Amino acid sequence: RKEVEQDPGPFNVPEGATVAFNCTYSNSASQSFFWYRQDCRKEPKLLMSVYSSGNEDGRFTAQLNRASQYISLLIRDSKLSDSATYLCVVNLDTGGFKTIFGAGTRLFVKA
Amino acid sequence: NAGVTQTPKFQVLKTGQSMTLQCAQDMNHNSMYWYRQDPGMGLRLIYYSASEGTTDKGEVPNGYNVSRLNKREFSLRLESAAPSQTSVYFCASSELRTYINNEQFFGPGTRLTVL
Repeated sequence: RKEVEQDPGPFNVPEGATVAFNCTYSNSASQSFFWYRQDCRKEPKLLMSVYSSGNEDGRFTAQLNRASQYISLLIRDSKLSDSATYLCVVNLDTGGFKTIFGAGTRLFVKA
Repeated sequence: NAGVTQTPKFQVLKTGQSMTLQCAQDMNHNSMYWYRQDPGMGLRLIYYSASEGTTDKGEVPNGYNVSRLNKREFSLRLESAAPSQTSVYFCASSELRTYINNEQFFGPGTRLTVL
């Protein structure tokens, strides 16, 4: 089983739609959580951190459920420019540094 | 402020050839990383350097070596390239003050093909 699992998609949605991505992680030593965005043939960039209390940044909302070991990303009012791959990222504290990237979920927003 | 830069952007090697991928950051970050990204898989950590003068193996270190030349530069060397090393290689850096706030900044990547 992969340590961080995501639905690869692709998710095809019309402009204005709300779309949600889930990510599950298997290691209970996971300490911190992030969503990164990666455009086609580009480098990943941090979209937002994910906190236990949940956090919102404009149209984007991230949630963490430690009991069930999953995080989610909700995008409201999708824009064409939201088309990208969304990477779930988990930092582990195992006595040393370890960051695990999910394989990503592809999103296509259509006009 | 260029952030993280990588050279070259593209490279084609023959099996058995060697090469060094260069990475530099101008953000005064302590930590630097090398990842590879293959289709259908997440980024996988090859090596990292938590601070100048230290390097540690990541998830997939076999076939690679690294050098943290100074605080700015972190190079990745393939001594004898194999087709299995065909991938996109990303360098990244972070402050790594704590695991909670470990935003990593990535370079534009190097697309490597080994024939």
